[in-house]
Amino acid sequence: DAGVIQSPRHEVTEMGQEVTLRCKPISGHDYLFWYRQTMMRGLELLIYFNNNVPIDDSGMPEDRFSAKMPNASFSTLKIQPSEPRDSAVYFCASGRQGLAKNIQYFGAGTRLSVL
Amino acid sequence: SQQGEEDPQALSIQEGENATMNCSYKTSINNLQWYRQNSGRGLVHLILIRSNEREKHSGRLRVTLDTSKKSSSLLITASRAADTASYFCATGGSGANSKLTFGKGITLSVRP
Repeated sequence: DAGVIQSPRHEVTEMGQEVTLRCKPISGHDYLFWYRQTMMRGLELLIYFNNNVPIDDSGMPEDRFSAKMPNASFSTLKIQPSEPRDSAVYFCASGRQGLAKNIQYFGAGTRLSVL
Repeated sequence: SQQGEEDPQALSIQEGENATMNCSYKTSINNLQWYRQNSGRGLVHLILIRSNEREKHSGRLRVTLDTSKKSSSLLITASRAADTASYFCATGGSGANSKLTFGKGITLSVRP
């Protein structure tokens, strides 16, 4: 099993540019989570999907952030326009229903720097 | 707001010693989990304890849960330099909600 795959691993962009982060969950998992991690705020849940449907997006900071899951094997997190305060490590995680439904498997993350 | 609050924030021990990390939470939970994060990597699940369990073991890991005190502890026995990482507790709610709420983490340094 390849695990959760995120791309790119690093992204450096200028303020105002659009940024798209990508995630491929583990095959067979029906939950997908997007997190943001910073020193100041720790690990924050932004949004999560179940069976490709957004369930809770209350953690999305503002309208500049959007997430989609067009199919079971792909999700994107888009920031438009990006701002320096968006600089953070963004993680995608997946999980599945059943006894272990709460266990989450994390990707390696995308380190975003907005200049 | 953070549900899980870990204590201490940082811990430095000698290889071979035991490391004890604590987590407190505020609301009722379905289960509590511990994760490890190595520098520059994603979080890795270590162990899950359900709300009706009091203690669980996995290799050198021992987790306890006291729902009356809303607290948990993670004990790593005979620590190794490779255990150096950040450790997070995460609480899962009841019902169909699969969301986890993570604490800010404990930084463990194991000196060789």
